[in-house]
Amino acid sequence: NAGVMQNPRHLVRRRGQEARLRCSPMKGHSHVYWYRQLPEEGLKFMVYLQKENIIDESGMPKERFSAEFPKEGPSILRIQQVVRGDSAAYFCASSPARDPSYEQYFGPGTRLTVT
Amino acid sequence: GQQVMQIPQYQHVQEGEDFTTYCNSSTTLSNIQWYKQRPGGHPVFLIQLVKSGEVKKQKRLTFQFGEAKKNSSLHITATQTTDVGTYFCAGPTSGTYKYIFGTGTRLKVLA
Repeated sequence: NAGVMQNPRHLVRRRGQEARLRCSPMKGHSHVYWYRQLPEEGLKFMVYLQKENIIDESGMPKERFSAEFPKEGPSILRIQQVVRGDSAAYFCASSPARDPSYEQYFGPGTRLTVT
Repeated sequence: GQQVMQIPQYQHVQEGEDFTTYCNSSTTLSNIQWYKQRPGGHPVFLIQLVKSGEVKKQKRLTFQFGEAKKNSSLHITATQTTDVGTYFCAGPTSGTYKYIFGTGTRLKVLA
């Protein structure tokens, strides 16, 4: 059973460009979380999605950031017009159910560098 | 808003010494999870505690959930170099499905 997949693993963008991060959850998992981690810091919740639904996006900046989890295909976190402050590691995690008592399986992350 | 703090932020120990990290939530938690993140890696689930006062062991690791379900601890006996990494606790926010991660404790083990 393949784990959570994220791509690309490393992404370099110039200021003003768009960054698109992909996450394929574990097989059978229909719940995806996105987190941001700045160097030397903890994980900050961004958004929680189910297939075709955004359940909780309270941790995501209102502007430039969007997320989706279509019926088919990976979940995508999109950052438009990136700025240097967006440089961070972005992790997605998947879970088999909405119940928070289930553990989250993390992907390897995408390290975004904005130059 | 709800906060989850961990102390210490950093800990350097000699190999063979014990290590403890403490996790404190500003609100009562229905459960608490612990994760380990190796340098350059991603968080990996270690364990979940649900019951008040619960204690669970995994080889040299002992996890405890406080009676009031607002704090937790992770104790490692006789640390090894493979224990190096950052240990995070995480708890669900009340009434939502999102997890708040603690600030983390970075452990370095000196051989």
